[in-house]
Amino acid sequence: NAGVTQTPKFQVLKTGQSMTLQCAQDMNHEYMSWYRQDPGMGLRLIHYSVGAGITDQGEVPNGYNVSRSTTEDFPLRLLSAAPSQTSVYFCASSYSSRANEKLFFGSGTQLSVL
Amino acid sequence: GESVGLHLPTLSVQEGDNSIINCAYSNSASDYFIWYKQESGKGPQFIIDIRSNMDKRQGQRVTVLLNKTVKHLSLQIAATQPGDSAVYFCAERGSGSRLTFGEGTQLTVNP
Repeated sequence: NAGVTQTPKFQVLKTGQSMTLQCAQDMNHEYMSWYRQDPGMGLRLIHYSVGAGITDQGEVPNGYNVSRSTTEDFPLRLLSAAPSQTSVYFCASSYSSRANEKLFFGSGTQLSVL
Repeated sequence: GESVGLHLPTLSVQEGDNSIINCAYSNSASDYFIWYKQESGKGPQFIIDIRSNMDKRQGQRVTVLLNKTVKHLSLQIAATQPGDSAVYFCAERGSGSRLTFGEGTQLTVNP
C-alpha cells in the first residue's frame, strides 16, 4: 500500500499564479483533509471532506479551493498564489469521517510563493 | 478556544535513556488525544492514541499517560534510540470533532 501520496514535493510560484496540489490515498478512507504547517503554529486545517462530493472549510480556508469527485483523490487548488501561502502542505486521511482519528499523512509539499 | 501546547520546545537525551515529552491541553471536553512523530522533511507519523476514558496506554516502547485532572498528556519513550530523534507533537479532539495540534517538541538523542 502506498498510503497517502502527495505531488509535487516542492513547488515555487510567483505571486498570482495558480496551481493544484495533488493528493491520493489507496486505503479507501472516507475522510480526507489538507493542513498547512508553519513554524511555531502547528498544523492548521484548511479544508476537509467526509466523502466523495462533500467538502467543508477548516480553520484557514481563504485562498484555497478543494473538490472530492472520487474517494481516492482530494486536490487542493490555489487560484491566485500569495506570499502568505508559503508553507508546507500536508494531506491526511482517516478511515472514519465521524471519528476523525488516526490521521495518516502524506509526505508533504513545500510551497514557496515569491 | 481550544489550545494544545508543549512544556518544552527541545529535549536532549542520551541513547538508552527514557524520554518524557509533555503536552498541556485546555479543553476539558476533549475526548481523544494522539501523538505524532515527524522526522525532518517527512509527514507526521502516528505513534499512539488514547481516549479520555483511559489513563494509560502502552505501545511498542511508548506509553501515553493522560491526567484529566490537570489536563496533561505525556509520551514516554523507553530506551530511546537515535532513530527516535524527531519532532513530537500531540493533538486533541475537542468540540466539532476537529483535531487541534500542538507546536511540537524537538527530541534529540545523543549517542
